[in-house]
Amino acid sequence: EDKVVQSPLSLVVHEGDTVTLNCSYEVTNFRSLLWYKQEKKAPTFLFMLTSSGIEKKSGRLSSILDKKELFSILNITATQTGDSAVYLCAVRIVGYALNFGKGTSLLVTP
Amino acid sequence: DTAVSQTPKYLVTQMGNDKSIKCEQNLGHDTMYWYKQDSKKFLKIMFSYNNKELIINETVPNRFSPKSPDKAHLNLHINSLELGDSAVYFCATQVTSGYNEQFFGPGTRLTVL
Repeated sequence: EDKVVQSPLSLVVHEGDTVTLNCSYEVTNFRSLLWYKQEKKAPTFLFMLTSSGIEKKSGRLSSILDKKELFSILNITATQTGDSAVYLCAVRIVGYALNFGKGTSLLVTP
Repeated sequence: DTAVSQTPKYLVTQMGNDKSIKCEQNLGHDTMYWYKQDSKKFLKIMFSYNNKELIINETVPNRFSPKSPDKAHLNLHINSLELGDSAVYFCATQVTSGYNEQFFGPGTRLTVL
């Protein structure tokens, strides 16, 4: 059975800290791995990773995929209170649907 | 214009009722999905539709039936609602020519009393 495991499940940091969120997966036909940020409503897309070792960056956020060890990390540097959200990792499965992990709930305190 | 819209945003109903949630997209995407997010925020695929054809039907009860009248719409009909159906239901869309991100609607919070 396909599995996507995120850790930690929750995290509390101070503004300015750097955080690393982890996502490991076991799927039969890997196609791509996606990161989403969910605040109060719909998940919003952050990154899609298909190749190992290529870092994707957007401002203070970056992500990388290791297809040999079957994991990805999402880094957030110089965290701000607006980064508080649930971060979801998902792996694309058959029919292009996404198999989501349970998310990491991040709280950034002032 | 909202790219992926859902109606209603909130739905409160009694056990045993039948209800529908509607999803519309104006992105011209050819694949649409329904996901269920439970109280622990776990997001799980329910259905996937491509060009009006069902291509994924995860192990959801057959009380749930997706209906796609055209490429821009994917509605979710639920019969004989149960307490455990209470959740947030998200519609999502994607272009399937290549590995692209999915765009999510705002969600419909269903509460069954």
